[in-house]
Amino acid sequence: KAGVTQTPRYLIKTRGQQVTLSCSPISGHRSVSWYQQTPGQGLQFLFEYFSETQRNKGNFPGRFSGRQFSNSRSEMNVSTLELGDSALYLCASSLEAGASYNEQFFGPGTRLTVL
Amino acid sequence: AQSVAQPEDQVNVAEGNPLTVKCTYSVSGNPYLFWYVQYPNRGLQFLLKYITGDNLVKGSYGFEAEFNKSQTSFHLKKPSALVSDSALYFCAVRAVRQYGNKLVFGAGTILRVKS
Repeated sequence: KAGVTQTPRYLIKTRGQQVTLSCSPISGHRSVSWYQQTPGQGLQFLFEYFSETQRNKGNFPGRFSGRQFSNSRSEMNVSTLELGDSALYLCASSLEAGASYNEQFFGPGTRLTVL
Repeated sequence: AQSVAQPEDQVNVAEGNPLTVKCTYSVSGNPYLFWYVQYPNRGLQFLLKYITGDNLVKGSYGFEAEFNKSQTSFHLKKPSALVSDSALYFCAVRAVRQYGNKLVFGAGTILRVKS
């Protein structure tokens, strides 16, 4: 079974631009979560989607948004990029959102650099 | 208070020796606990989880973890370390009552295994 895929793997943007990152979950997984990883803040939860609905949201400004499609693929968007948005963005999928005991499987991440 | 604490930034161990990476948690109710490993420029890989039942959980690559409710700990262990175990290890907790379904991660512990 193919793992979680994320595109692109690397991205360089300038301040003020916007960016869209894509995530394809493991086949059959319906829940997708997004995390931001930085050296200073560690791993922080952004949001979780299940059946095209946002189920959970972290403490990030409204510039960060996401969506999920009917095939469970997900995108996250960051508008008006700031230097502090430079990070590794990780997508994770799991079978369903309601079963808290399910582990999440992570993609390789998208490395975003904001100049 | 930090919900998941990994008190050691780095653990150094000689190849062949046993290793322990510590994790303590602070959540109400019955937590679900997870360990993940991250290799450079990669996403997180799931190692093992504790849901309920036997306090000793066995996972991938020879790792195991012991859940101790009285000490609120979930330390990761391996009887004999390999150089290839060198990586960044994350403990995570899911406490639905407090945080919904999201994973809350510790700061991570760098494990260095020397030959």
